[in-house]
Amino acid sequence: AQSVSQHNHHVILSEAASLELGCNYSYGGTVNLFWYVQYPGQHLQLLLKYFSGDPLVKGIKGFEAEFIKSKFSFNLRKPSVQWSDTAEYFCAVEGKSGNKLVFGAGTILRVKS
Amino acid sequence: GAVVSQHPSWVICKSGTSVKIECRSLDFQATTMFWYRQFPKQSLMLMATSNEGSKATYEQGVEKDKFLINHASLTLSTLTVTSAHPEDSSFYICSARDQGGGTDTQYFGPGTRLTVL
Repeated sequence: AQSVSQHNHHVILSEAASLELGCNYSYGGTVNLFWYVQYPGQHLQLLLKYFSGDPLVKGIKGFEAEFIKSKFSFNLRKPSVQWSDTAEYFCAVEGKSGNKLVFGAGTILRVKS
Repeated sequence: GAVVSQHPSWVICKSGTSVKIECRSLDFQATTMFWYRQFPKQSLMLMATSNEGSKATYEQGVEKDKFLINHASLTLSTLTVTSAHPEDSSFYICSARDQGGGTDTQYFGPGTRLTVL
């Protein structure tokens, strides 16, 4: 069965600090990978996705993620966070042969101004 | 990006009544929509996959007779919580799969907060 593990449930950073949120998945096949963000009071929005090709994926708002196949990881990064990045971040995986997204538990990021 | 709407955004009902939640893809057609449930401080759990013109596929442990799903058109799926009880109180989120123009991405609705008294 597919599973997604996000290492930290809560992260607190100061503005301008660098961010890395860990995501590891378990799946017996090739996958599509996603990061979604949920700002307070808003719905889930797609940050970035990886289907194939360059394992370093750039998304919106300065976020990027790197797919490392050997480590089954898809960590999210941002070099310098802003207060407006305060949100909950979800990693998700989908098998290429199926169409179901499996979500991690989420990481709540709080950026102090 | 594509837009998915849900209606209502919140609903309070008495135990034993039924509640219908609508999910619409506003600017694309979606042959596949998904219904999720999100408990407080937890992740989204897939309840069912809704396929236009056919029966929904339910995840293990989800009662299909309690959570009725209808996907009658390419832009609308409905979830009806029948004979709701307090334990059904939750945040229900739908998503719609956009496979047009070479893309293949799920877009999420804003969610519906259901409170059963």
